[in-house]
Amino acid sequence: AQKITQTQPGMFVQEKEAVTLDCTYDTSDQSYGLFWYKQPSSGEMIFLIYQGSYDEQNATEGRYSLNFQKARKSANLVISASQLGDSAMYFCAMREILDGGSQGNLIFGKGTKLSVKP
Amino acid sequence: DTAVSQTPKYLVTQMGNDKSIKCEQNLGHDTMYWYKQDSKKFLKIMFSYNNKELIINETVPNRFSPKSPDKAHLNLHINSLELGDSAVYFCASSQQGSREAFFGQGTRLTVV
Repeated sequence: AQKITQTQPGMFVQEKEAVTLDCTYDTSDQSYGLFWYKQPSSGEMIFLIYQGSYDEQNATEGRYSLNFQKARKSANLVISASQLGDSAMYFCAMREILDGGSQGNLIFGKGTKLSVKP
Repeated sequence: DTAVSQTPKYLVTQMGNDKSIKCEQNLGHDTMYWYKQDSKKFLKIMFSYNNKELIINETVPNRFSPKSPDKAHLNLHINSLELGDSAVYFCASSQQGSREAFFGQGTRLTVV
C-alpha cells in the first residue's frame, strides 16, 4: 500500500531564508505523481507543485522546487526566500496510478507546520 | 470565478440529524472526490466519482453517501450524525491525464 511520511511536525525558518520540508513515500508502483499542498490558517488547500515519477528534471514553480530523489523515494519541498505569508501547514501527497492508467486518489502525509519568523 | 465550491462553509448540527454538503466544480473535470480532515489535520479519502461512477470507496460508515446528479456536482449526504463526524470535509476535482487536483475551501462540520 502507498504511504507518505512527513517526519517534521513543525519547522521554523527566518524570513528570507530557504527551508526544506521533508517527504518520503513508499509505493510499489512504477508510475505515480507527487504533490505538495499548502494549507494556511484560513483552511483552504492550495496546490503548489507536482512531480511525475518519470520526470527527469526536478519540478520548480516560482520560489518552490521539489527535490526528487527517486532511488531514495523522497520528494522534499524547498521554499526559497521565505516570506511571512509562507507560514502554513504543508502536505505532501502521492497519487497512485490505477490499472488501465487512470488516476487514483491522493494519499496525504500528516503535514508539516511551517512558521516563518520576521 | 471559484473552480471548486462547497456549501456551506460552516455547519453546526445536533447528533442524530441528517445533513448534506454540496460541491460543484466548473473546471470540466471528470473526477471528483471527498476528503475528511480530522482534528489532527490528517486528510483521508472518502469517495471518488469518475463520470458518475463510484470508482474508489474507502471503508467509511454507510451513513455517508455521495450523490452525483451530474458531472459537475458531487454532494455528500450524512445520516444520523455522530460526534465523531466532526471534521473538515473537502471536495476536490481533477481530470484524468492532468496533474493538478483542485480543492474546495472545505466545510467545517461540528456535531454537538
